[in-house]
Amino acid sequence: DVQMTQSPSTLSASVGDRVTITCRASQSISRWLAWYQQRPGKAPKLLIYLASTLQSGVPSRFSGSGSGTEFTLTIASLQPDDFATYYCQQYNDYWTFGQGTKVEIK
Amino acid sequence: EVQLVESGGGLVQPGGSRTLSCAASGFTFNTYAMSWVRQAPGKGLEWVSSVSGRGDSTYYAESVKGRFTVSRDNSENTLDLQMNRLRVEDTAVYFCAKMGPNWGSPFDSWGPGTLLTVSS
Repeated sequence: DVQMTQSPSTLSASVGDRVTITCRASQSISRWLAWYQQRPGKAPKLLIYLASTLQSGVPSRFSGSGSGTEFTLTIASLQPDDFATYYCQQYNDYWTFGQGTKVEIK
Repeated sequence: EVQLVESGGGLVQPGGSRTLSCAASGFTFNTYAMSWVRQAPGKGLEWVSSVSGRGDSTYYAESVKGRFTVSRDNSENTLDLQMNRLRVEDTAVYFCAKMGPNWGSPFDSWGPGTLLTVSS
């Protein structure tokens, strides 16, 4: 089974900050990686797939990079709507999620 | 617009059974694989099961294999999850999710979820 590990678990930031979240896979998953945003009490929303492809309608301040076992999600300038929990997901071998990174207000 | 709406959650005793349903609209249902993902209270996301567009291929997480059965009715645009021998650790919000255009894709649309509580 592919295990996904995100860091940090919690991140405190201010509006306008540049934020980076890291996701590591226990084995190579090529670029079969997605990122989701989940606001409290809501369903997850797909942000990025194939490691760096922005889902339709997602603001360009979100970007993804990486391949193999190490990936990052970057929010270029944090907006009030961006305070949420973010999950990475591998889809190279079934589907496995990271444990999540909560982005909270500093 | 894609719409997914789950139903069937509630309180069930350990060892009991329950069927969750998901009503889909806004897309050609039989051409997309569908999945169930769950989230225990205060925890992260866990993939549970997926079914192909035609319903002839099904996949399960080890944690539910042998207890849960996924099925779909393409004439009614519905997805079901039959859950047997329920355990306290199955307590979660269960989300229905549409897979992307290719088998194995990530999940590009989600329902709001339905809460299943397994407790005596």
